[in-house]
Amino acid sequence: DAGVTQSPTHLIKTRGQQVTLRCSPKSGHDTVSWYQQALGQGPQFIFQYYEEEERQRGNFPDRFSGHQFPNYSSELNVNALLLGDSALYLCASSLQGESYEQYFGPGTRLTVT
Amino acid sequence: SQQGEEDPQALSIQEGENATMNCSYKTSINNLQWYRQNSGRGLVHLILIRSNEREKHSGRLRVTLDTSKKSSSLLITASRAADTASYFCATAPYTGANSKLTFGKGITLSVRP
Repeated sequence: DAGVTQSPTHLIKTRGQQVTLRCSPKSGHDTVSWYQQALGQGPQFIFQYYEEEERQRGNFPDRFSGHQFPNYSSELNVNALLLGDSALYLCASSLQGESYEQYFGPGTRLTVT
Repeated sequence: SQQGEEDPQALSIQEGENATMNCSYKTSINNLQWYRQNSGRGLVHLILIRSNEREKHSGRLRVTLDTSKKSSSLLITASRAADTASYFCATAPYTGANSKLTFGKGITLSVRP
């Protein structure tokens, strides 16, 4: 049973560019959440997708957008990259109606130069 | 913004000793969770304690929660070198696996062989 997978593992982009990160949830899960973790900090909630709609959003600008597909996989898009967007991006999956458990993927390390 | 603040920021102990980590938070919660992260990769869920619980055990882990003081502690007994990692507390404002998590900045634990 595959857990949460994310791609790519590492990514280097230039300021002003756009990036797309991908996440496949754990088998059977229907909800995907995205978190940003800057170096030396704890993860910060970006947004959550369920039934292909954004259900909750953290304190992130509109440059951060996402999508969820019918197979529950999800993408995180960041436009007009800034140096401060350099971070580890974590995806977590869960099942609506279940209690508490969220499963995290290994993350995508984004470096903006 | 960070909800939880862990204390200490870094902890170094000898193998076999106990490690105690503390977390304080600011707003009302439904539950508090502890996660482990190895080498800046994905998060592993360790233990969850609900707001109406005071203490919980899981293997070598013991977590306590004091809602009146808005604080929690994680005790790892008989530590091993493999316990070396960063530890985060995360709070959830409501029940359900779709509840967004608010993390603290984390504690770096080093266990010397």
